[in-house]
Amino acid sequence: GENVEQHPSTLSVQEGDSAVIKCTYSDSASNYFPWYKQELGKGPQLIIDIRSNVGEKKDQRIAVTLNKTAKHFSLHITETQPEDSAVYFCAATAFPNFGNEKLTFGTGTRLTIIP
Amino acid sequence: NAGVTQTPKFQVLKTGQSMTLQCAQDMNHNSMYWYRQDPGMGLRLIYYSASEGTTDKGEVPNGYNVSRLNKREFSLRLESAAPSQTSVYFCASTFRTSGSSGELFFGEGSRLTVL
Repeated sequence: GENVEQHPSTLSVQEGDSAVIKCTYSDSASNYFPWYKQELGKGPQLIIDIRSNVGEKKDQRIAVTLNKTAKHFSLHITETQPEDSAVYFCAATAFPNFGNEKLTFGTGTRLTIIP
Repeated sequence: NAGVTQTPKFQVLKTGQSMTLQCAQDMNHNSMYWYRQDPGMGLRLIYYSASEGTTDKGEVPNGYNVSRLNKREFSLRLESAAPSQTSVYFCASTFRTSGSSGELFFGEGSRLTVL
């Protein structure tokens, strides 16, 4: 089965700086890579996702890059703000053939933005 | 906009007691999921229901049962609680089709402690 490793487990950055979270996956069949953000006391919420037919996707201050050859993908947050403080989860699956029941999550990164 | 509603939010049980976690969604989603979240282990799928009338085991189903009561509701039952089931439980839903994005919508979680 799929195995997703996520690093670092904790990350502190100064407000305004950039943050990068990295994930690696093991199953070459995986083709869908979402990122979820979990604020304190809340459930995770999808913030961005990427499919294996593209190498990069951006949405305002958030971007995700994918390297299929190396089997790793990364979340980049630029110009960080206090509201970016949260736990971030990466995930991988072969979509749509397997659906969310095969979605494998990383272990999470607690991001703290220092004012 | 209620989205995914879980009850109860907090529960303390003694070993061997039983309880049911309730989940309801008002987004007309067809697929529903139960995850558990433990420190350093990310989100792990317990059971899922791809459509009304069907349920299947996920990654960690032992000690749990589920019922898809109707299209809106999906409950998780612990028949004989064990300390290893101390966790935060999340219900999630999505509208699953071959062309859907697969975005999961999560509830706010139920924190369960088994003494």
